Amino acid sequence: EAGVAQSPRYKIIEKRQSVAFWCNPISGHATLYWYQQILGQGPKLLIQFQNNGVVDDSQLPKDRFSAERLKGVDSTLKIQPAKLEDSAVYLCASNRWVTDTQYFGPGTRLTVL
Amino acid sequence: KQEVTQIPAALSVPEGENLVLNCSFTDSAIYNLQWFRQDPGKGLTSLLLIQSSQREQTSGRLNASLDKSSGRSTLYIAASQPGDSATYLCAVRGNTGGFKTIFGAGTRLFVKA
Repeated sequence: EAGVAQSPRYKIIEKRQSVAFWCNPISGHATLYWYQQILGQGPKLLIQFQNNGVVDDSQLPKDRFSAERLKGVDSTLKIQPAKLEDSAVYLCASNRWVTDTQYFGPGTRLTVL
Repeated sequence: KQEVTQIPAALSVPEGENLVLNCSFTDSAIYNLQWFRQDPGKGLTSLLLIQSSQREQTSGRLNASLDKSSGRSTLYIAASQPGDSATYLCAVRGNTGGFKTIFGAGTRLFVKA
């Protein structure tokens, strides 16, 4: 079974630029999560999808972050414009049922200069 | 609001030693608790998942316990090996709404050969 795929693995941008990350969950997994992990901290949930509907986006900075999950499969997370404090690893995870083990992708390391 | 704390933040032990990692949480209304391992530059790998009705789970040299009433979980690693060196994260899933997952900041473990 293929794991959660993410791209790109690394991205360096300047502040005020925009950036997008892509995630392909494990086939058949209805729930998809985007987490932000700042160096030295645990992952923080940004947004949770159930199929293509949003379950929780309470910690998503909606003035600059957006996410979508078209057709309930792949998902993209966008930051526009980026700030220095957005430098972090962005992790995507998925599971079949919301209460199951979450499977994580390798993450995208974003550096904002 | 759920808060998850992990102690110690970092730990260095000689190979072969048994060790205990601690996790505490403030709200006992949880659905389950999960321990993850994170290697540098990698995503998270699930180690053990304990349902709220369970007291412990075991996998190989790992044993995780859960005391929901006191808001504590421990991860016991027997006969530690250099390959166990990684960051260990505790994640608590709530039992309401979207079953939101809150992570601790992790314990960075180094096992010396």
